[in-house]
Amino acid sequence: DAKTTQPNSMESNEEEPVHLPCNHSTISGTDYIHWYRQLPSQGPEYVIHGLTSNVNNRMASLAIAEDRKSSTLILHRATLRDAAVYYCILRDVNTGNQFYFGTGTSLTVIP
Amino acid sequence: DSGVTQTPKHLITATGQRVTLRCSPRSGDLSVYWYQQSLDQGLQFLIQYYNGEERAKGNILERFSAQQFPDLHSELNLSSLELGDSALYFCASTQGGASGNTIYFGEGSWLTVV
Repeated sequence: DAKTTQPNSMESNEEEPVHLPCNHSTISGTDYIHWYRQLPSQGPEYVIHGLTSNVNNRMASLAIAEDRKSSTLILHRATLRDAAVYYCILRDVNTGNQFYFGTGTSLTVIP
Repeated sequence: DSGVTQTPKHLITATGQRVTLRCSPRSGDLSVYWYQQSLDQGLQFLIQYYNGEERAKGNILERFSAQQFPDLHSELNLSSLELGDSALYFCASTQGGASGNTIYFGEGSWLTVV
């Protein structure tokens, strides 16, 4: 499986920014970094993805390190609805670009 | 709404029985994935189809099988069911296998084996 490393859990206060880190030291040049989140009893939901440059969308921002061996998902203002498990996925051409989900980071948002 | 439709949403069946889970991918998506998520477990990749043909296999048991039909919908067949097969089964779809393509998940089918 393509390897990513994330903290098991994180906490954030409501309305504060959250930075969720991910390490992917085995990344190769054509591998995209994808982030998904999963609320309890729901299917994973696409958040954002990128290749080299930082990316922004209505949900979040993705900051990719210059060497691409790590990335950070940024939620600019956490809300209670952002409490979920966040998965960082590296689509690895060596494994057929499969989506392998690790254990992710469980984000708790404190009111 | 992701555009991926799964049926049934809930299913309760007895050990030893066989069930079929159905998935309709998003319009235009050629690739279908099946995942299993047991209670407090991560998402386990089972199998992938692309345009009717099996593309990749993950941790799929021999008692399980899948297929993708010409209209691109897919079915996951689970047979000789055991208590441990109780899980949430997700279908997902994407346009193709390129690394930059995003994948969209359905709401899942809850299977309870009693």
